Amino acid sequence: DAGVTQSPTHLIKTRGQQVTLRCSPKSGHDTVSWYQQALGQGPQFIFQYYEEEERQRGNFPDRFSGHQFPNYSSELNVNALLLGDSALYLCASSLTVSGDKYFGPGTRLTVT
Amino acid sequence: GDSVTQMEGPVTLSEEAFLTINCTYTATGYPSLFWYVQYPGEGLQLLLKATKADDKGSNKGFEATYRKETTSFHLEKGSVQVSDSAVYFCALFHNTDKLIFGTGTRLQVFP
Repeated sequence: DAGVTQSPTHLIKTRGQQVTLRCSPKSGHDTVSWYQQALGQGPQFIFQYYEEEERQRGNFPDRFSGHQFPNYSSELNVNALLLGDSALYLCASSLTVSGDKYFGPGTRLTVT
Repeated sequence: GDSVTQMEGPVTLSEEAFLTINCTYTATGYPSLFWYVQYPGEGLQLLLKATKADDKGSNKGFEATYRKETTSFHLEKGSVQVSDSAVYFCALFHNTDKLIFGTGTRLQVFP
């Protein structure tokens, strides 16, 4: 049974560029959440997708946007990258919005 | 708002020592409580959870008891191994469908 997968593993971008990160949920899971983990910090909630809609959003600017596809996979898009966007981006899937969250290995984004 | 406070690390122990990592929370009502573990270069793994007061979560020799009266969920293990070296995150889940994490506690176990 495949767990949560994310791509790419690592990414280096320049300030002002745009980036797209991808996530495939654990088999049978229909809800995807995204978290940002800055170095030495705990993960911070970005947003959650269920039934292809953004269901809830954390305290992140509109530069952060997402999408969920009919197969429940999801994308995180970040526009106009800032140096402060450098972090590990974690995707978590769950069976329903309130189910236990299972995390992927993350995408390490470095903005230079 | 809801929050989680963890003891600062690193916690440095010798193999077979007893481990306690403190975690306290602030929340209205009755959140679910979790411990996640993050090994170097990896994502988070769910270690254990408890969903109501006095519940004890356990897994791989780790235990934590949900204490409503002290708003705590301390992680314990009787005999740590070098392979337990990782960062441990306490988290709560309540109402808003999002996990709220502490800042993490690094555990270093030496042979």
